[in-house]
Amino acid sequence: DTGVSQDPRHKITKRGQNVTFRCDPISEHNRLYWYRQTLGQGPEFLTYFQNEAQLEKSRLLSDRFSAERPKGSFSTLEIQRTEQGDSAMYLCASSLVGGGSYEQYFGPGTRLTVT
Amino acid sequence: SQKIEQNSEALNIQEGKTATLTCNYTNYSPAYLQWYRQDPGRGPVFLLLIRENEKEKRKERLKVTFDTTLKQSLFHITASQPADSATYLCALDLGSNDYKLSFGAGTTVTVRA
Repeated sequence: DTGVSQDPRHKITKRGQNVTFRCDPISEHNRLYWYRQTLGQGPEFLTYFQNEAQLEKSRLLSDRFSAERPKGSFSTLEIQRTEQGDSAMYLCASSLVGGGSYEQYFGPGTRLTVT
Repeated sequence: SQKIEQNSEALNIQEGKTATLTCNYTNYSPAYLQWYRQDPGRGPVFLLLIRENEKEKRKERLKVTFDTTLKQSLFHITASQPADSATYLCALDLGSNDYKLSFGAGTTVTVRA
């Protein structure tokens, strides 16, 4: 399967702990996006990368959130000092920009539960 | 402030009927609008994109219309089937021509056999 993959699929952590999620995009895609989705809501844009460059991080929810894409391939999203309000589904998506297509391909998400 | 509103109520329809979903937006000037399908516990899946200069787009049993004057898109599923049961999300580009999307909350459709 050559779709977007995310790991882990589920994460339960205690408040105050740090967590890191990984996303592997479709290999030929040059854009990678992170979203957060809470129950009953649509995905909320957090940040995105063009190759290894992070083009926007102003929508990251707080300075506890950070993302990297060190070699322009996989990406990680880290949440430090987790809070109960961080419990949500974290989605990664990728796309190929420049070929005239705009659709994004989403991974299955990482479900985070903070206890 | 920018807002995207979809049918707030879930839609329950009989198999074979047409489901019509609404997406209204304010304070956006999108170059295009997309519709996605999301099943429980999974990521959204792209269905259709319609550009600001297009009135209607079709794909198999799906039809999307886009009225930039009314700031509204309608999404139709014709000859609905139980397998169409899912949440449908509309998404607009954030207007800066950099492909970021803003999503509505979605409308849940249940098709009864």
